[in-house]
Amino acid sequence: AQKVTQAQTEISVVEKEDVTLDCVYETRDTTYYLFWYKQPPSGELVFLIRRNSFDEQNEISGRYSWNFQKSTSSFNFTITASQVVDSAVYFCALKQTSGSRLTFGEGTQLTVNP
Amino acid sequence: DAEITQSPRHKITETGRQVTLACHQTWNHNNMFWYRQDLGHGLRLIHYSYGVHDTNKGEVSDGYSVSRSNTEDLPLTLESAASSQTSVYFCASITPPAPTGELFFGEGSRLTVL
Repeated sequence: AQKVTQAQTEISVVEKEDVTLDCVYETRDTTYYLFWYKQPPSGELVFLIRRNSFDEQNEISGRYSWNFQKSTSSFNFTITASQVVDSAVYFCALKQTSGSRLTFGEGTQLTVNP
Repeated sequence: DAEITQSPRHKITETGRQVTLACHQTWNHNNMFWYRQDLGHGLRLIHYSYGVHDTNKGEVSDGYSVSRSNTEDLPLTLESAASSQTSVYFCASITPPAPTGELFFGEGSRLTVL
């Protein structure tokens, strides 16, 4: 069985602070995909990143960066110099390559205060 | 532009009534999914389909059914709505090839069962 855990239910920071959202996963598969989605207050789910299990290189996209560590089964997401517009619920998800179903974590509510 | 749409976006119903939430995608994706989102649980898979006439149960399928008579549509039916089914429902489809594809979500349908 697969499981994704986002232990941080809520995080509150002040604008311009860096913030890291944790994601820990469990799977018996050797090949899998990890995702992050953003859900702003408007409610839609926005795809942020997909990473396969063979690629442990960290990725940076603007103020966003992702740290994938297979040894600790973690796929953490860091926002540098946070902005109020980053306020949202962020979901981490795991997908087996044998199928197409995603298993989501519980989500982390990030609030960035001015 | 191709898209995935859900209707209705908001619905209030009474316990015991039958409710159907529509999901329509114009990408011709084979794989479609229904999730429900609840606080503290993230998104949980209700049902999914890998093609016409194919339907499968997810982790929280009790009280729900789906049918797939064509590629574009995957309606979700609550045969006898219960208050525990008050939730936000998201439909999604995945770009092929499914193992590496990206999941696209509809805008969500907020259902209240009184």
